[in-house]
Amino acid sequence: GAGVSQTPSNKVTEKGKYVELRCDPISGHTALYWYRQSLGQGPEFLIYFQGTGAADDSGLPNDRFFAVRPEGSVSTLKIQRTERGDSAVYLCASSLTGSGSRTGELFFGEGSRLTVL
Amino acid sequence: GQQLNQSPQSMFIQEGEDVSMNCTSSSIFNTWLWYKQDPGEGPVLLIALYKAGELTSNGRLTAQFGITRKDSFLNISASIPSDVGIYFCAGLQGAQKLVFGQGTRLTINP
Repeated sequence: GAGVSQTPSNKVTEKGKYVELRCDPISGHTALYWYRQSLGQGPEFLIYFQGTGAADDSGLPNDRFFAVRPEGSVSTLKIQRTERGDSAVYLCASSLTGSGSRTGELFFGEGSRLTVL
Repeated sequence: GQQLNQSPQSMFIQEGEDVSMNCTSSSIFNTWLWYKQDPGEGPVLLIALYKAGELTSNGRLTAQFGITRKDSFLNISASIPSDVGIYFCAGLQGAQKLVFGQGTRLTINP
């Protein structure tokens, strides 16, 4: 499709389990972002990739969270030893950088809703 | 960390009314943006503001970038049912990181 694709759309897991969330950005977009949105709140920045490298991971809450983008396209957000407080919608976004792009214009996917029981 | 404060948190209006919401920050941002989120969807960019004092329109939407660079407002004229949703302001921190407000939820009575 033409938009950002995220899978799974819903994930229910038990406390302590490992979870992977996948993001397929818009073709040609070099920048990819992960945000977390708790109920009733705005999206909260987690990490930003430019190409294959993480340019800014200052938003990752702790070392249980890790993200990769090995080929500069698809990205996976990995959460180890999940806790109930990790329950949220995880949003992925992508953007063009450089000429031809509007600064700050991110294209978001529909999100992956994670519920930790 | 930096926080953007949006007001009001929610609005209940009649179809056809004009809407005004704003966003303030304790810190300066050089770029302000307004996004809208529908249920089950990701936010979508409505308007981007790049210069202090700038007033920008997009159809029935008008947004302004405050002179102090610490605030912005969004106006919607002649509201219609599809305007329902959550409106987020966001400030650009550095080159690529967006800081979002907590949102203003708009409900329209037909």
